[in-house]
Order: sequence, then C-alpha cells, then structure tokens
Amino acid sequence: GENVEQHPSTLSVQEGDSAVIKCTYSDSASNYFPWYKQELGKRPQLIIDIRSNVGEKKDQRIAVTLNKTAKHFSLHITETQPEDSAVYFCAASRASGGSYIPTFGRGTSLIVHP
Amino acid sequence: DTAVSQTPKYLVTQMGNDKSIKCEQNLGHDTMYWYKQDSKKFLKIMFSYNNKELIINETVPNRFSPKSPDKAHLNLHINSLELGDSAVYFCASSLRWGDNEQFFGPGTRLTVL
Repeated sequence: GENVEQHPSTLSVQEGDSAVIKCTYSDSASNYFPWYKQELGKRPQLIIDIRSNVGEKKDQRIAVTLNKTAKHFSLHITETQPEDSAVYFCAASRASGGSYIPTFGRGTSLIVHP
Repeated sequence: DTAVSQTPKYLVTQMGNDKSIKCEQNLGHDTMYWYKQDSKKFLKIMFSYNNKELIINETVPNRFSPKSPDKAHLNLHINSLELGDSAVYFCASSLRWGDNEQFFGPGTRLTVL
C-alpha cells in the first residue's frame, strides 16, 4: 500500500521566517496531494492541494511543490506568523480498484515564536 | 451552521462496553469517512462510504461497525471496547468519491478506562 513519510516532525521558527515541510510517497499511482492544518484541539482543515499534472501551486503565503519523478512534495510558508502554529499533515491519494484511498503523513508540529 | 457534526464530543467508558458515535453532514456530499487519530496525532482512515455503500475498510477489527442509514449520516458502533481504542475519532465528508477536499467534523475524544 501507499506509504507517506513527512519531515520534520517538529519545526520551530521565528516570526517572519519561512518554514518548509517535506513529504515523500511510495505509490506512483497517487495523483492528489492535499495539505491540512490542525490547530490544537480543532479539526484538520485543508489549506492547499496539488494534483499530479501540476508542479507548483501558490496561495498568498503558502505554496506547494510536487516532484513526480522523485515522488516528493513540499509545503512552503513564507513570512510566518504566530497563528500559523499548528500541526500540518500532508496526504497522498491513490486509485485502487477504482477507489481513492487517502494516506496521511505523521504530521509536523510547527511552532512560530513571536 | 455546522457542515459536519459529530456526537458526542467526549466519551468516557469502561473496557468491554459498546458505544456509538454519530456523524451528520449537511453539505450534500456523496462520500463520508471515519478516521482515528491516536495520541501521537497519527491520522488513519478506517472506513469510507460512497452513497451509503462501503468503499474502504482499512483492516479495522470487526468490533468496529459503520452504518450509513442515508447519504448524510455515517455512524460508528464499537463493540467490546479496549484500552487501545482510546483516541480521537473524526468523521469527514467530500463532495464525491475521489480527490476532493475533505471536510472534517469536530472529533469525538474516546477514553476507555
């Protein structure tokens, strides 16, 4: 089955710095890669996603890049703010017998110090 | 108004008991999911239903039985609860089966004593 590795598990930055979180996946059939943000005690919420026919996508301070050949994708947050502090999850969806099965990474706890 | 709701928010029970968690979505979505998030925050899919039909059952013990009475509801019943079942259970929905954004419920924190 699909295996998604996410690094680092914890990331501590100063306000205004950039943060990068990286994920690798194993199944070359995966074609949808969302990123979710989960604040403490809250539900995961989608912040950005990318499909396998696109190499990069940007939404204000957040960007995601995808390298299909190397099977890795990354989340970039610029000009970090304290409210960016949360756990971030990457995921990869693959087709299996006509179904899409989402596999999540283990999460990165991002701490932004004011 | 709440898009995906779950009840109860907290559930504390003894080992061996049977309990249910309910989930409802008012988004008109076709697909619903149950996830388990353990103490290390690992989020793992358990089940998925598409139009009331079971699509995914990810090697979950058969003590866990999902039920979808209609497209808007997906309930989770757990028999003979064990200590290892303690976790936060999230319900989620997506517009259609495939690659769309998943909308998560607020979660149910289950503690088995």
